[in-house]
Amino acid sequence: EVQLVQSGAEVKKPGESLKISCKGSGYSFSNYWIGWVRQMPGKGLEWMGIIYPGDSDTRYRPSFEGQVTISADKSISTAYLQWSSLKASDTAMYYCARHVSLTGSNYYMDVWGKGTTVTVSS
Amino acid sequence: QSVLTQPPSVSGAPGQRVTISCTGSSSNIGARYDAHWYQRLPGTAPKLLIYANTNRPSGVSDRFSGSKTGTSASLAITGLQAEDEADYYCQSYDSSLNYWVFGGGTKLTVL
Repeated sequence: EVQLVQSGAEVKKPGESLKISCKGSGYSFSNYWIGWVRQMPGKGLEWMGIIYPGDSDTRYRPSFEGQVTISADKSISTAYLQWSSLKASDTAMYYCARHVSLTGSNYYMDVWGKGTTVTVSS
Repeated sequence: QSVLTQPPSVSGAPGQRVTISCTGSSSNIGARYDAHWYQRLPGTAPKLLIYANTNRPSGVSDRFSGSKTGTSASLAITGLQAEDEADYYCQSYDSSLNYWVFGGGTKLTVL
């Protein structure tokens, strides 16, 4: 069974760093793009960025570039989303999702992790 | 404000048919990019419902169907059930923005 298992909920203070994870299993982790999607409280889904674990090629939505870092360790089939200095506005649910290509940039997200809640509060 | 526009809410009685629209433009759905649909039940992660405009993944009920015309896509749900009460999102790629986008989401209420 294809699965993405995310790390547990986090409660942090503004200015702290954080790295959350997403471990894939049941498929060839290196050969599929993995992306991160944010859902702020009471809001919709926002696509943040993706990484290709095979060569670590990474793409970001412009509004997230420089604010977060997406990385992956293909040896342990795990993708990461990290912050160097959290803000209260980073409080949200973060989902990882496997991206499947149809043609070119025509991708959909077929498998999702259960989400990691990040709460940033002083 | 998303480049894919969905109605904030729709509702229907059990057994009825409802449709949810997703209006895009010539740089996303109206271009060569497909529309995909996700269901997010309360307290759970999104689940792929329809991919490539009309295709259902294995295990998704045939009460769900998708279509695409021009710059818009639609999700139809027939035989509405209480368990269908959820948020529904469309998704595509936008060639002007150069990233993947979601619609704002539609909350379905089963009356």
